[in-house]
Amino acid sequence: NAGVTQTPKFQVLKTGQSMTLQCAQDMNHNSMYWYRQDPGMGLRLIYYSASEGTTDKGEVPNGYNVSRLNKREFSLRLESAAPSQTSVYFCASRDGQVNTEAFFGQGTRLTVV
Amino acid sequence: AQKVTQAQTEISVVEKEDVTLDCVYETRDTTYYLFWYKQPPSGELVFLIRRNSFDEQNEISGRYSWNFQKSTSSFNFTITASQVVDSAVYFCALYRGGADGLTFGKGTHLIIQP
Repeated sequence: NAGVTQTPKFQVLKTGQSMTLQCAQDMNHNSMYWYRQDPGMGLRLIYYSASEGTTDKGEVPNGYNVSRLNKREFSLRLESAAPSQTSVYFCASRDGQVNTEAFFGQGTRLTVV
Repeated sequence: AQKVTQAQTEISVVEKEDVTLDCVYETRDTTYYLFWYKQPPSGELVFLIRRNSFDEQNEISGRYSWNFQKSTSSFNFTITASQVVDSAVYFCALYRGGADGLTFGKGTHLIIQP
């Protein structure tokens, strides 16, 4: 039972490079999310997708784009990485019902040098 | 706007002591959901508990207990007879419903010393 799978687990980028973080869930959940975690800041929502074909900005969307490719997959793209985007990124998914918890992937540790 | 405050940045106790992690939230919604997650040193986020705003019943699960008080907008978490394996960062989170994600507090780093 894989749950939420993120790739890669670690990545080092040079400033200005681009990359896509991949996320897939096998729980048939409608909603998917991307968070970033920085020391002392907790988790902050970057983007979310309530259902296939829809995406919305969260608290800290600048510098990112997302794609909800299908119900299973939700990718996060950094077009031109900056050192301020050094962080741990978590993908999560939820059943569409309100009374349910979010399930998280194992995280991607990204360093931009 | 929603907000979750975990005022305790770091707590250190000796094994077998009881410890309470504080969580205070702000929301204008009358219906909302509160969560606690654990993040052990390995880094994954582990769901611990969910509580609905209309259910103020406290809950006990083994050594863990949660005290939800709407009057003070608090949802505190107590570990009884702490163990070294409880060492982790604990996050309190608020969800208002709809398509939005969870709003997290900044976390409390709990250190249990042997």
